[in-house]
Amino acid sequence: NAGVTQTPKFRILKIGQSMTLQCAQDMNHNYMYWYRQDPGMGLKLIYYSVGAGITDKGEVPNGYNVSRSTTEDFPLRLELAAPSQTSVYFCASSPGLAGVGDTQYFGPGTRLTVL
Amino acid sequence: AQSVAQPEDQVNVAEGNPLTVKCTYSVSGNPYLFWYVQYPNRGLQFLLKYITGDNLVKGSYGFEAEFNKSQTSFHLKKPSALVSDSALYFCAVRAATSGTYKYIFGTGTRLKVLA
Repeated sequence: NAGVTQTPKFRILKIGQSMTLQCAQDMNHNYMYWYRQDPGMGLKLIYYSVGAGITDKGEVPNGYNVSRSTTEDFPLRLELAAPSQTSVYFCASSPGLAGVGDTQYFGPGTRLTVL
Repeated sequence: AQSVAQPEDQVNVAEGNPLTVKCTYSVSGNPYLFWYVQYPNRGLQFLLKYITGDNLVKGSYGFEAEFNKSQTSFHLKKPSALVSDSALYFCAVRAATSGTYKYIFGTGTRLKVLA
């Protein structure tokens, strides 16, 4: 199993540009998550999904959108990039809901810089 | 407010010596606690978790953690450190919010094991 994969690994955007961060998992997990990790900070939850067609906001959803058309894929969309979105983005999945104790499996991350 | 604290930004330990990485938490209800490790340019990897039961939890790579309810702590330990243990360690706790649950991550502690 490849686990959780993310593309791209690195990206530089100009202010106002848009892009989609891709995330895929091959473990047949129902639950998927997007986090951002800012320097010196813990991870912050952006969005999560409990299954195909169902998504919900996390702590810091503003400026982002998600969709979940299949169990495997959970892309994160930035519509109008801003410098405040410079961060490392991690996608994760879990077999059950992380909040009830299930372990999350993380992808390698996407390092995004907005200039 | 519900929170997780990792009071040390960095811990240095000599190879072969025991190591401790500290974590304290503040949540309502019974805590579910996790430790993750992050190697350079990689995603977070699960080490161990406490849900219920024995206060001493054993995990991957020889790590263990002790849950102390009275001190609201969940310190990560290893009897004999290896240079390869050098990485960034995150403590996380489940927190109840708005009818659901989420993870709260600490800010991370960088462990440096010196040969």
